[in-house]
Amino acid sequence: AQSVAQPEDQVNVAEGNPLTVKCTYSVSGNPYLFWYVQYPNRGLQFLLKYITGDNLVKGSYGFEAEFNKSQTSFHLKKPSALVSDSALYFCAVRDGGSTLGRLYFGRGTQLTVWP
Amino acid sequence: KAGVTQTPRYLIKTRGQQVTLSCSPISGHRSVSWYQQTPGQGLQFLFEYFSETQRNKGNFPGRFSGRQFSNSRSEMNVSTLELGDSALYLCASSPEGGRDNEQFFGPGTRLTVL
Repeated sequence: AQSVAQPEDQVNVAEGNPLTVKCTYSVSGNPYLFWYVQYPNRGLQFLLKYITGDNLVKGSYGFEAEFNKSQTSFHLKKPSALVSDSALYFCAVRDGGSTLGRLYFGRGTQLTVWP
Repeated sequence: KAGVTQTPRYLIKTRGQQVTLSCSPISGHRSVSWYQQTPGQGLQFLFEYFSETQRNKGNFPGRFSGRQFSNSRSEMNVSTLELGDSALYLCASSPEGGRDNEQFFGPGTRLTVL
């Protein structure tokens, strides 16, 4: 069965410091991995995805993520955090099987960046 | 292009009533998915429609149903509402619903069941 784990409910980081939001996954077959961000009272916004190819994926707003097949991880990173990055981040996976469009989401990680 | 729109944005109902939520996908997108978001359960998949056909369904009771129209607009219906149905209902669209397509989410409909 497909699943996603985000081991940290909260991540706190000072502005200007690098940030990492962790994600591990479990799927049958090749994984299709996504990161989304949610601001209060808003829907989810797509940040980046890994389908195949280079393990380092660059996305919106300066975010990037590193796919590690051996560790089944897809951690979200940013070299220098901004206060405006404070939001709820979701990792999601889709397998290569018959579930097609369905995304399996982690529980989310609340990122707080303080000035 | 306009984004995914959902109506209404907020809804208050009482137990036992039924409710219909509407979603208009991005123009040209043929796949529409619905998710329920609650603090306790997180984001849970309800169903996915593609070209007016439901092609994927999550683990929700039959009280939850949906449909898609020929213009790709979608509705979901919840009958005999329960307190536990209070949630943010999110609609997402993608061009073909393929495995490598990201989904674009609407702002959600906040349903409160009293």
